Amino acid sequence: DQQVKQNSPSLSVQEGRISILNCDYTNSMFDYFLWYKKYPAEGPTFLISISSIKDKNEDGRFTVFLNKSAKHLSLHIVPSQPGDSAVYFCAASVPDFGNEKLTFGTGTRLTIIP
Amino acid sequence: ETGVTQTPRHLVMGMTNKKSLKCEQHLGHNAMYWYKQSAKKPLELMFVYNFKEQTENNSVPSRFSPECPNSSHLFLHLHTLQPEDSALYLCASSQEVFQGRSTRGYTFGSGTRLTVV
Repeated sequence: DQQVKQNSPSLSVQEGRISILNCDYTNSMFDYFLWYKKYPAEGPTFLISISSIKDKNEDGRFTVFLNKSAKHLSLHIVPSQPGDSAVYFCAASVPDFGNEKLTFGTGTRLTIIP
Repeated sequence: ETGVTQTPRHLVMGMTNKKSLKCEQHLGHNAMYWYKQSAKKPLELMFVYNFKEQTENNSVPSRFSPECPNSSHLFLHLHTLQPEDSALYLCASSQEVFQGRSTRGYTFGSGTRLTVV
């Protein structure tokens, strides 16, 4: 049973527009959420995170929104740039201090069209 | 370079071979992980080590055998693998914060692309 779901395997967005990547989760114990970005032949790199006590976190062009009642989070990238083309993974963890384990989604491949 | 180095980058092995994947981190982290990434599947947690002690074995078949000789090095020993074990194997590390949360999650290596023939 997949606890973190990214239902869109791919997304294409025009350069300069907003990219919105979505993620849904089923485990109500998740209290911390992260987005990772992955280029081909590289490991995922941390992008942005959000705690369940917040509903929004912003870092430059990247903003993550959390809707706990809907068990949904989204990553907004604005404006989108060609270098943003990558696979984006949503991840979540439960409060198991000292033994943090991340549960990942299947990823969404974002392609920015110049 | 992320500070987590995995070797080799690519590996092709037969089903009767024995090989090892290596992971090394220079970040001073105290936890290390092995993840498996197969096509169209989420990253699957395989093993977790905290302070060199294995704290998680996520129902991984015994043909995968981890080893953590110190907090900077992690190995994954492979023997009698099956073609379905072909995948990208990712190592990650993190700094466990016992009074809170490691806010940046994991630092990943670039992975080893394993092909079992």
